[in-house]
Amino acid sequence: NAGVTQTPKFQVLKTGQSMTLQCAQDMNHEYMSWYRQDPGMGLRLIHYSVGAGITDQGEVPNGYNVSRSTTEDFPLRLLSAAPSQTSVYFCASSWSGEKLFFGSGTQLSVL
Amino acid sequence: AQRVTQPEKLLSVFKGAPVELKCNYSYSGSPELFWYVQYSRQRLQLLLRHISRESIKGFTADLNKGETSFHLKKPFAQEEDSAMYYCALTGGGNKLTFGTGTQLKVEL
Repeated sequence: NAGVTQTPKFQVLKTGQSMTLQCAQDMNHEYMSWYRQDPGMGLRLIHYSVGAGITDQGEVPNGYNVSRSTTEDFPLRLLSAAPSQTSVYFCASSWSGEKLFFGSGTQLSVL
Repeated sequence: AQRVTQPEKLLSVFKGAPVELKCNYSYSGSPELFWYVQYSRQRLQLLLRHISRESIKGFTADLNKGETSFHLKKPFAQEEDSAMYYCALTGGGNKLTFGTGTQLKVEL
């Protein structure tokens, strides 16, 4: 079991560029979510999904899109990167929304 | 709206001293509370949850509904307890709200 796999681990973007952060899990979890971690702000929920075809917004969804076409994958898309999106991004999955299994994180810098 | 407050950004204690990481919450219904921990160069992971009423690595946490608190305690700190600790809350749905975290540093 690989658990929750995130790619890439590091990424540098220029303002206005787009990219997709990948997240995959092999535990057959229905629930998946994306968080961003910023100093002094803790982890803030961006988007989440309770199953394939179902997504919903979290606390800080602006500037991010998600889709859930399969149970395994939950990519996070930045349509037009901004410096304010510089952060560490974590993907997580679980059977429910409670005991989360986290990925190793993606460190994103937007210049 | 649900909210979790961890008032201390950094807590520094000596090895063998008691540890208490504070967590207060705001939620109108019956919340479920958790503590997550992130050790250096490791993934964020669940430490304990209040419904289990368990002790993990010597840590315990009691839900106090009157004071809306869920403080994490350990009687004798160990060097390997140094980590970032996050308190988290859910109202039973699919949204887990995290606090801002407390960095615990155990000094020799």
